[in-house]
Amino acid sequence: SAVISQKPSRDICQRGTSLTIQCQVDSQVTMMFWYRQQPGQSLTLIATANQGSEATYESGFVIDKFPISRPNLTFSTLTVSNMSPEDSSIYLCSVNVGANVLTFGAGSRLTVL
Amino acid sequence: TQLLEQSPQFLSIQEGENLTVYCNSSSVFSSLQWYRQEPGEGPVLLVTVVTGGEVKKLKRLTFQFGDARKDSSLHITAAQPGDTGLYLCAGYSMEYGNKLVFGAGTILRVKS
Repeated sequence: SAVISQKPSRDICQRGTSLTIQCQVDSQVTMMFWYRQQPGQSLTLIATANQGSEATYESGFVIDKFPISRPNLTFSTLTVSNMSPEDSSIYLCSVNVGANVLTFGAGSRLTVL
Repeated sequence: TQLLEQSPQFLSIQEGENLTVYCNSSSVFSSLQWYRQEPGEGPVLLVTVVTGGEVKKLKRLTFQFGDARKDSSLHITAAQPGDTGLYLCAGYSMEYGNKLVFGAGTILRVKS
């Protein structure tokens, strides 16, 4: 299985600023997935990051708010732009390790004041 | 509306008790997975069930996939404090573009 490193693990940010979350995988993967987990809630898929092409966003999520980079097969970033308190969540990076099973990073807990 | 409904949302029990968590849907799933998530960590896969009626056991945990592949259950026997965490069911369904969708989760707290 893959090992995923995410950073920062947590951050406290001011309203109106942006934060970039990094996700590093120890092996090459075709697709990387970004999820949001709001307090006390389940996981919601934000987008799928594909190497060499633009990310595919789910309904309710747009590139201007959550720009994603995927410069190579082991790395991706998710930026949360122009943050508001409603963006306070855990953001999780994951990859498909085969048989449709996902491995997740430890998550980045974001608090927006 | 959640595609996968989990119940109960929260469960607090004493060490040694048994419990069952349910995951239900009106849609058919090609497979269902159960994950456990501890605070400060990402979800970790416990099991995948793919065949209707399938039962899988993982030590004190028993997972069942409904015959119609619309529901699943997780039964824990003699719960221990180490079982504490958020339990999530997740599945693939053609109704959701064959992407992995998650239930709302069950928070389990086992008191010693």
